Amino acid sequence: QVQLVQSGAEVKKPGASVRVSCKASGYTFTTYAIHWVRHVPGQGLEWMGWINAGNGDTRSSQKLQGRVTITRDTSASATYMELSSLRSEDTAVYYCTRRYGGYANFDYWGQGTLVTVSS
Amino acid sequence: QSALTQPASVSGSPGQSITISCTGTSSDVGAYNYVSWYQHHPGKAPKLMVYDVSNRPSGVSNRFSGSKSGNTASLTISGLQAEDEADYYCNSYTSSDTVVFGGGTKLTVL
Repeated sequence: QVQLVQSGAEVKKPGASVRVSCKASGYTFTTYAIHWVRHVPGQGLEWMGWINAGNGDTRSSQKLQGRVTITRDTSASATYMELSSLRSEDTAVYYCTRRYGGYANFDYWGQGTLVTVSS
Repeated sequence: QSALTQPASVSGSPGQSITISCTGTSSDVGAYNYVSWYQHHPGKAPKLMVYDVSNRPSGVSNRFSGSKSGNTASLTISGLQAEDEADYYCNSYTSSDTVVFGGGTKLTVL
């Protein structure tokens, strides 16, 4: 069965960077894009960016451009999201999710990774 | 890219029907039939309920249905049940090759 398993919770200081991993199993990794979405407590879901797992092409939201880097390791069937220059407003649960078919269909999700930014 | 506009909250009694709207622009909702809806219980991963405007994934109740007119998409839940109480989000593909979510709607089952 399809699974996306993310790395564990992180606590970071303002200005630092964080890298969250997302390991896929149960399907051919290079066939589907992986997107990253975050949920800030008390706020809505925010789309962060995506990577074509086949050719490595990426796209990120205008708001986060310059701070977010998405990469993948096909040998490990894993995707990585790195967010730099962390601020308190980046405290959120970060999810990876698989895009299936249409461009906005996210059918499988990771369990979420809580990133807390605090001095 | 601004978030799609959803009502902050809706409510209904068990057995009733409710509709949640999702308004975008001619660069996202109005441009493509790539609108999806997600059910989200905070602390859990979102769940895909409707995709490509009006299609239901396998296993999702037929009480959930989607539609679109112009720049506004809608999710209708019929025969409301207590378990439907959650936050609901729409999203859409955009002409910038990105994705945008709505602000979310809190559904309360009275």
